[in-house]
Amino acid sequence: DAKTTQPPSMDCAEGRAANLPCNHSTISGNEYVYWYRQIHSQGPQYIIHGLKNNETNEMASLIITEDRKSSTLILPHATLRDTAVYYCIVRVGNTGKLIFGQGTTLQVKP
Amino acid sequence: EAGVVQSPRYKIIEKKQPVAFWCNPISGHNTLYWYLQNLGQGPELLIRYENEEAVDDSQLPKDRFSAERLKGVDSTLKIQPAELGDSAVYLCASSPGVGGREETQYFGPGTRLLVL
Repeated sequence: DAKTTQPPSMDCAEGRAANLPCNHSTISGNEYVYWYRQIHSQGPQYIIHGLKNNETNEMASLIITEDRKSSTLILPHATLRDTAVYYCIVRVGNTGKLIFGQGTTLQVKP
Repeated sequence: EAGVVQSPRYKIIEKKQPVAFWCNPISGHNTLYWYLQNLGQGPELLIRYENEEAVDDSQLPKDRFSAERLKGVDSTLKIQPAELGDSAVYLCASSPGVGGREETQYFGPGTRLLVL
């Protein structure tokens, strides 16, 4: 199973862009990269996912390198409510299995 | 659109007692998942259902844990008897299907279990 590596913690100033990196060097060609976040005492919240191309939705942008070995989640204008643990996950084929790592704790500061 | 509903939100029991958690997935979602989340860790998959069928229960401790999904909608996860180490958050998730973009999982708020 492809493993992801994320920094354990990051800080970001309110209103600035938050760029969360993720390494997934063993990813296979048909494996998607997913991002979830988990705010304290809540279930994980889906943010975005992609296969090869960059993706954007109302919450964030996902930039995947051409070799697909790493990606970056971008929150364009971080707010205090974006403080959470962010998980980068490589979904295992069509098994439905999401293997969560430790994630990155993002602290947005005023 | 309503999200994944779980109940109860909190449960405190004594060890060796039974406990059950209930999950109602998003309407129309055929795939249902139960996860276990220990403090400070990411969620870990316990079991996955495709409609009524448990297609992946390899991580479910079958000596004390059981699950069912009657009629392919609601699901119940049971522990009998509970042990101190079962204290954790139990998360339910659902997705429209499996494969490609259909497999995006949406999580409920979880049930926080404390075994004394």
